[in-house]
Amino acid sequence: GAVVSQHPSWVICKSGTSVKIECRSLDFQATTMFWYRQFPKQSLMLMATSNEGSKATYEQGVEKDKFLINHASLTLSTLTVTSAHPEDSSFYICSAATGGPGELFFGEGSRLTVL
Amino acid sequence: GESVGLHLPTLSVQEGDNSIINCAYSNSASDYFIWYKQESGKGPQFIIDIRSNMDKRQGQRVTVLLNKTVKHLSLQIAATQPGDSAVYFCAETQEYGNKLVFGAGTILRVKS
Repeated sequence: GAVVSQHPSWVICKSGTSVKIECRSLDFQATTMFWYRQFPKQSLMLMATSNEGSKATYEQGVEKDKFLINHASLTLSTLTVTSAHPEDSSFYICSAATGGPGELFFGEGSRLTVL
Repeated sequence: GESVGLHLPTLSVQEGDNSIINCAYSNSASDYFIWYKQESGKGPQFIIDIRSNMDKRQGQRVTVLLNKTVKHLSLQIAATQPGDSAVYFCAETQEYGNKLVFGAGTILRVKS
């Protein structure tokens, strides 16, 4: 099946620093990628939709300047958490879509801990 | 609408019993539904899907039921095994959009 890889799988950083998380589709081209955030024992909440070569579409309540998304190619989207604070600590998950009906594949997630 | 981040309910079952996990979805325009399994520290894993023109679909040991009238989904797992222990989420979308909205989720604990 299609594989979506996230890197890093976990990261610990100091408050005030920026952290970049990569999402790659390894064996297919993703027309669209989605970024989700998940707090412990809670559901996944969609943060933004990322299309290659265009600006990301953010969900209501998600700060665009805080969570920078770049979708530079059909196989790579990045999420940068800028000036991270402890409340940004979470599990960030991406998914990639091929454009076909229901063809959506998830990465393994990246756990961010901000000290 | 979006999942509101509720804390997850827990379903405990004895190994070998059948499990039924329920989900209420929010958007009557949704026409495609997916059940995911998520193990600790991992991304969601596809289990089974169903389109809105169906009310039942069966897979290996799993069955999904869809009741559009009351906007309700259920996942039935037959002969539940310890390896089934995980968090289960339903998700809804309009099929070609692929923008998934996740339900609140249920923790399934299987007792040996």
